Amino acid sequence: QKEVEQDPGPLSVPEGAIVSLNCTYSNSAFQYFMWYRQYSRKGPELLMYTYSSGNKEDGRFTAQVDKSSKYISLFIRDSQPSDSATYLCATSHSGNTGKLIFGQGTTLQVKP
Amino acid sequence: DAGVIQSPRHEVTEMGQEVTLRCKPISGHDYLFWYRQTMMRGLELLIYFNNNVPIDDSGMPEDRFSAKMPNASFSTLKIQPSEPRDSAVYFCASSLDGEETQYFGPGTRLLVL
Repeated sequence: QKEVEQDPGPLSVPEGAIVSLNCTYSNSAFQYFMWYRQYSRKGPELLMYTYSSGNKEDGRFTAQVDKSSKYISLFIRDSQPSDSATYLCATSHSGNTGKLIFGQGTTLQVKP
Repeated sequence: DAGVIQSPRHEVTEMGQEVTLRCKPISGHDYLFWYRQTMMRGLELLIYFNNNVPIDDSGMPEDRFSAKMPNASFSTLKIQPSEPRDSAVYFCASSLDGEETQYFGPGTRLLVL
């Protein structure tokens, strides 16, 4: 069993839709949870960062962590064609200074 | 800042040849990470350094892979001899203790024929 599971998709939605991306993880010791966005032929870049459980909102993006069910979510409101990318969830014991365990990544396409 | 710099951006080589990938981290960052990304296995950590010292190399697939960081501004990942199954995109990332993110370079696309 992989430590972080993520449906690779692809996921295709019309512009303006609400997008829900999800991951599950197996190790209850993980404390840091991240979402990275990766455009085609580029390196991943941090989108959202949360510590422990709860919600975090940044513009059209909301990250949610439920440690009781080991479930990580990213919601995108009013999705735009520019949101088309691969979204990778990641977890860590020690934030950005240690090993990040990545999910497989979900490829999202937002159609105009 | 120029960000994390990797070279070459593309590499095509034949099985059995030595391959050296290079990385220049963001100035002042004290952590450096090497990742490999494939369709089958996703993004996997190979090794990471703190202040030029290797901390965790448990992700290095086998003895054919080696990594060095001779100084704070340069690291190499070497594959010798290379095999077709090493074909992947190799990313270097750097980070600074206290910040939230690892900054990834653009990657090196390696194809071993």
